[in-house]
Amino acid sequence: GQNIDQPTEMTATEGAIVQINCTYQTSGFNGLFWYQQHAGEAPTFLSYNVLDGLEEKGRFSSFLSRSKGYSYLLLKELQMKDSASYLCAPMDSNYQLIWGAGTKLIIKP
Amino acid sequence: IAGITQAPTSQILAAGRRMTLRCTQDMRHNAMYWYRQDLGLGLRLIHYSNTAGTTGKGEVPDGYSVSRANTDDFPLTLASAVPSQTSVYFCASSEVSGRADEQFFGPGTRLTVL
Repeated sequence: GQNIDQPTEMTATEGAIVQINCTYQTSGFNGLFWYQQHAGEAPTFLSYNVLDGLEEKGRFSSFLSRSKGYSYLLLKELQMKDSASYLCAPMDSNYQLIWGAGTKLIIKP
Repeated sequence: IAGITQAPTSQILAAGRRMTLRCTQDMRHNAMYWYRQDLGLGLRLIHYSNTAGTTGKGEVPDGYSVSRANTDDFPLTLASAVPSQTSVYFCASSEVSGRADEQFFGPGTRLTVL
């Protein structure tokens, strides 16, 4: 079956660094997406990884290990506006996104 | 308009009533999707359309139907609403299906079925 596992909730301090982990099992694999979703709003695209390794985009970085079925999203220099849910979504062999339940990130001053 | 719009923003509906959720995009994207999002669960795909004139069933299609008469519009219909269909519904689109394209989401419709 297809399964996504990510922590339900994390708390971090403004200015710090946080890593949100995601493990997955899918039928085939065509890359992995991370989306950000603020409360009451739509998900918005953050990153896409299809090859192993780290992709850096400003304060956000995403890592993928296909052999381990593992990805993480790294957020640096946390700001209050980063308080949101972060959704891990690998893409299966049919190019369908399989969505995790999301990790709610709470940033404290 | 720019991007994807959905209507209504929210709706309270009596069980057994018929309801159509509207979705329109102006990006000329070929692929469109309907998801529902429930607390504690990931987004679940209801129906999708790879291109105008074609539709397909997702993970949770029962009780829902869709049509894709043109590129821009992708309405979702609940023929006879039930309380378990209370959810937030998101419409999304991507440039092409069968490729790892980013999906763009509408603002969502919050539906309550009593």
